[in-house]
Amino acid sequence: GAVVSQHPSWVICKSGTSVKIECRSLDFQATTMFWYRQFPKQSLMLMATSNEGSKATYEQGVEKDKFLINHASLTLSTLTVTSAHPEDSSFYICSAKGQNQETQYFGPGTRLLVL
Amino acid sequence: QKEVEQNSGPLSVPEGAIASLNCTYSDRGSQSFFWYRQYSGKSPELIMSIYSNGDKEDGRFTAQLNKASQYVSLLIRDSQPSDSATYLCAVDNFNKFYFGSGTKLNVKP
Repeated sequence: GAVVSQHPSWVICKSGTSVKIECRSLDFQATTMFWYRQFPKQSLMLMATSNEGSKATYEQGVEKDKFLINHASLTLSTLTVTSAHPEDSSFYICSAKGQNQETQYFGPGTRLLVL
Repeated sequence: QKEVEQNSGPLSVPEGAIASLNCTYSDRGSQSFFWYRQYSGKSPELIMSIYSNGDKEDGRFTAQLNKASQYVSLLIRDSQPSDSATYLCAVDNFNKFYFGSGTKLNVKP
Protein backbone atom coordinates (compact mmCIF):
# COMPACT_ATOMS: atom_id res chain seq x y z
CA GLY A 1 0.00 0.00 0.00
CA ALA A 2 0.84 3.72 0.02
CA VAL A 3 1.98 3.99 -3.58
CA VAL A 4 2.61 7.35 -5.18
CA SER A 5 3.20 7.80 -8.88
CA GLN A 6 4.59 10.69 -10.87
CA HIS A 7 4.30 11.47 -14.52
CA PRO A 8 6.34 12.04 -16.55
CA SER A 9 9.51 10.48 -15.17
CA TRP A 10 11.65 12.45 -17.62
CA VAL A 11 10.97 15.65 -19.49
CA ILE A 12 13.14 17.76 -21.76
CA CYS A 13 11.81 21.11 -22.86
CA LYS A 14 12.92 24.33 -24.47
CA SER A 15 13.54 27.45 -22.44
CA GLY A 16 10.39 29.53 -22.08
CA THR A 17 7.92 26.68 -22.26
CA SER A 18 5.77 25.38 -19.41
CA VAL A 19 5.91 21.88 -18.02
CA LYS A 20 3.28 20.09 -15.96
CA ILE A 21 4.15 17.26 -13.57
CA GLU A 22 1.45 15.04 -12.10
CA CYS A 23 1.57 13.33 -8.73
CA ARG A 24 -0.99 10.66 -7.85
CA SER A 25 -1.66 8.64 -4.73
CA LEU A 26 -2.79 5.31 -6.11
CA ASP A 27 -4.18 3.47 -3.10
CA PHE A 28 -4.93 6.08 -0.48
CA GLN A 29 -6.41 9.52 -0.16
CA ALA A 30 -3.74 12.15 0.18
CA THR A 31 -4.97 15.00 2.31
CA THR A 32 -1.57 16.65 2.01
CA MET A 33 0.92 16.62 -0.82
CA PHE A 34 4.41 18.01 -0.82
CA TRP A 35 6.64 19.10 -3.66
CA TYR A 36 10.41 18.97 -3.39
CA ARG A 37 13.29 19.87 -5.63
CA GLN A 38 16.68 18.22 -5.48
CA PHE A 39 19.79 19.44 -7.24
CA PRO A 40 22.70 17.03 -7.83
CA LYS A 41 24.44 15.97 -4.62
CA GLN A 42 22.15 18.14 -2.52
CA SER A 43 19.28 17.27 -0.26
CA LEU A 44 15.61 17.65 -0.87
CA MET A 45 14.34 21.18 -0.62
CA LEU A 46 10.69 21.58 0.27
CA MET A 47 9.05 23.86 -2.26
CA ALA A 48 5.43 23.84 -1.16
CA THR A 49 2.78 22.02 0.79
CA SER A 50 -0.72 21.62 -0.56
CA ASN A 51 -3.90 20.44 1.06
CA GLU A 52 -6.77 19.20 -1.06
CA GLY A 53 -9.05 22.03 -2.05
CA SER A 54 -6.81 24.74 -0.62
CA LYS A 55 -4.14 27.00 -2.00
CA ALA A 56 -0.61 25.70 -1.66
CA THR A 57 1.71 27.09 0.98
CA TYR A 58 5.06 27.97 -0.54
CA GLU A 59 8.38 27.97 1.24
CA GLN A 60 10.37 31.15 1.46
CA GLY A 61 12.19 31.90 -1.77
CA VAL A 62 9.94 29.77 -3.97
CA GLU A 63 8.07 31.82 -6.57
CA LYS A 64 4.44 30.82 -6.50
CA ASP A 65 3.76 32.41 -9.89
CA LYS A 66 6.48 30.32 -11.44
CA PHE A 67 5.68 27.02 -9.73
CA LEU A 68 1.93 26.59 -9.93
CA ILE A 69 0.52 23.89 -7.70
CA ASN A 70 -2.97 22.50 -7.94
CA HIS A 71 -4.35 19.88 -5.54
CA ALA A 72 -7.81 19.46 -6.99
CA SER A 73 -8.60 16.02 -5.61
CA LEU A 74 -7.53 13.67 -2.85
CA THR A 75 -5.46 11.64 -5.28
CA LEU A 76 -3.95 14.20 -7.64
CA SER A 77 -1.66 17.18 -7.37
CA THR A 78 0.06 18.93 -10.24
CA LEU A 79 3.12 21.16 -10.40
CA THR A 80 3.47 23.42 -13.42
CA VAL A 81 6.81 25.04 -14.03
CA THR A 82 5.95 28.12 -16.05
CA SER A 83 8.38 29.73 -18.49
CA ALA A 84 11.04 27.22 -17.61
CA HIS A 85 14.69 28.21 -17.77
CA PRO A 86 17.87 26.10 -17.64
CA GLU A 87 18.32 26.88 -13.95
CA ASP A 88 14.99 25.11 -13.29
CA SER A 89 16.55 21.85 -14.43
CA SER A 90 16.35 19.56 -11.43
CA PHE A 91 14.85 16.43 -9.93
CA TYR A 92 11.31 17.18 -8.77
CA ILE A 93 9.82 14.80 -6.23
CA CYS A 94 6.33 14.78 -4.81
CA SER A 95 5.13 13.05 -1.70
CA ALA A 96 1.72 12.38 -0.27
CA LYS A 97 0.35 11.88 3.21
CA GLY A 98 -3.02 10.57 4.22
CA GLN A 99 -4.92 11.79 7.23
CA ASN A 100 -4.12 8.78 9.38
CA GLN A 101 -0.62 8.14 8.12
CA GLU A 102 2.41 8.88 10.24
CA THR A 103 4.64 9.87 7.37
CA GLN A 104 4.68 10.87 3.75
CA TYR A 105 5.24 8.55 0.83
CA PHE A 106 7.38 9.62 -2.07
CA GLY A 107 6.78 9.40 -5.76
CA PRO A 108 9.60 8.21 -8.01
CA GLY A 109 10.50 11.72 -9.09
CA THR A 110 10.59 13.65 -12.37
CA ARG A 111 13.81 14.75 -13.99
CA LEU A 112 13.41 18.06 -15.79
CA LEU A 113 15.99 19.29 -18.28
CA VAL A 114 15.46 22.73 -19.76
CA LEU A 115 17.52 23.45 -22.84
CA GLN B 1 13.89 26.38 6.27
CA LYS B 2 14.38 24.71 9.61
CA GLU B 3 17.92 23.43 10.08
CA VAL B 4 18.63 19.76 10.01
CA GLU B 5 22.32 18.97 10.04
CA GLN B 6 24.09 15.83 8.94
CA ASN B 7 27.67 14.94 8.24
CA SER B 8 27.86 14.59 4.47
CA GLY B 9 30.42 11.79 4.63
CA PRO B 10 31.21 9.62 2.90
CA LEU B 11 31.16 7.18 5.75
CA SER B 12 32.97 3.98 4.83
CA VAL B 13 32.52 0.79 6.81
CA PRO B 14 33.48 -2.81 6.06
CA GLU B 15 30.80 -5.37 5.39
CA GLY B 16 29.41 -6.75 8.64
CA ALA B 17 30.34 -3.70 10.71
CA ILE B 18 28.02 -1.24 12.44
CA ALA B 19 27.36 2.02 10.62
CA SER B 20 26.43 5.01 12.79
CA LEU B 21 24.68 7.98 11.23
CA ASN B 22 23.96 11.18 13.12
CA CYS B 23 21.63 14.12 12.77
CA THR B 24 20.93 17.28 14.76
CA TYR B 25 18.01 19.62 14.40
CA SER B 26 17.43 23.18 15.47
CA ASP B 27 13.71 23.45 16.18
CA ARG B 28 12.67 22.19 19.61
CA GLY B 29 9.07 22.12 18.44
CA SER B 30 9.79 19.23 16.08
CA GLN B 31 7.56 16.30 16.77
CA SER B 32 8.49 13.35 14.60
CA PHE B 33 11.72 12.12 13.15
CA PHE B 34 12.46 9.91 10.20
CA TRP B 35 15.33 8.25 8.43
CA TYR B 36 15.13 7.76 4.68
CA ARG B 37 17.45 5.94 2.33
CA GLN B 38 18.05 7.32 -1.14
CA TYR B 39 19.84 5.45 -3.86
CA SER B 40 21.43 7.51 -6.60
CA GLY B 41 18.85 8.77 -9.05
CA LYS B 42 15.93 7.49 -7.00
CA SER B 43 13.49 9.06 -4.60
CA PRO B 44 13.79 8.48 -0.84
CA GLU B 45 12.34 5.44 0.88
CA LEU B 46 11.39 5.32 4.55
CA ILE B 47 13.66 3.29 6.83
CA MET B 48 12.60 4.24 10.34
CA SER B 49 10.42 6.63 12.26
CA ILE B 50 10.81 7.65 15.90
CA TYR B 51 8.71 9.93 18.06
CA SER B 52 9.83 9.57 21.67
CA ASN B 53 13.15 9.62 23.46
CA GLY B 54 15.12 6.41 23.49
CA ASP B 55 15.79 3.62 21.05
CA LYS B 56 13.60 1.98 18.45
CA GLU B 57 14.73 -1.20 16.76
CA ASP B 58 13.57 -2.69 13.46
CA GLY B 59 15.62 -5.57 12.16
CA ARG B 60 19.18 -4.40 11.56
CA PHE B 61 18.22 -0.78 12.11
CA THR B 62 18.05 1.12 15.40
CA ALA B 63 16.96 4.73 15.64
CA GLN B 64 17.87 6.78 18.69
CA LEU B 65 16.28 10.06 19.74
CA ASN B 66 17.38 12.54 22.37
CA LYS B 67 15.09 15.56 22.32
CA ALA B 68 17.02 17.38 25.05
CA SER B 69 20.14 17.29 22.90
CA GLN B 70 18.13 17.67 19.66
CA TYR B 71 19.88 14.63 18.28
CA VAL B 72 18.76 11.66 16.22
CA SER B 73 20.89 8.76 15.11
CA LEU B 74 20.58 5.61 13.04
CA LEU B 75 22.60 2.48 13.64
CA ILE B 76 22.85 -0.17 10.95
CA ARG B 77 24.11 -3.50 12.23
CA ASP B 78 25.75 -6.12 10.03
CA SER B 79 26.11 -3.58 7.21
CA GLN B 80 25.75 -4.97 3.71
CA PRO B 81 27.00 -3.57 0.40
CA SER B 82 23.33 -3.09 -0.54
CA ASP B 83 23.10 -0.58 2.33
CA SER B 84 25.39 1.74 0.37
CA ALA B 85 23.27 4.82 -0.25
CA THR B 86 22.65 8.31 1.03
CA TYR B 87 20.75 8.44 4.31
CA LEU B 88 18.52 11.42 4.91
CA CYS B 89 17.34 12.57 8.31
CA ALA B 90 13.94 14.25 8.23
CA VAL B 91 12.15 16.24 10.89
CA ASP B 92 8.41 16.79 10.94
CA ASN B 93 7.45 20.17 12.30
CA PHE B 94 3.67 20.55 12.26
CA ASN B 95 3.25 18.51 9.08
CA LYS B 96 6.19 20.11 7.28
CA PHE B 97 9.12 17.86 6.62
CA TYR B 98 12.63 19.24 6.57
CA PHE B 99 15.53 17.16 5.38
CA GLY B 100 19.21 17.16 6.18
CA SER B 101 21.72 17.14 3.37
CA GLY B 102 22.25 13.41 3.81
CA THR B 103 25.16 11.17 4.73
CA LYS B 104 26.62 8.99 2.02
CA LEU B 105 27.38 5.50 3.31
CA ASN B 106 29.75 3.12 1.54
CA VAL B 107 29.82 -0.48 2.73
CA LYS B 108 32.89 -2.22 1.37
CA PRO B 109 32.72 -5.96 0.67
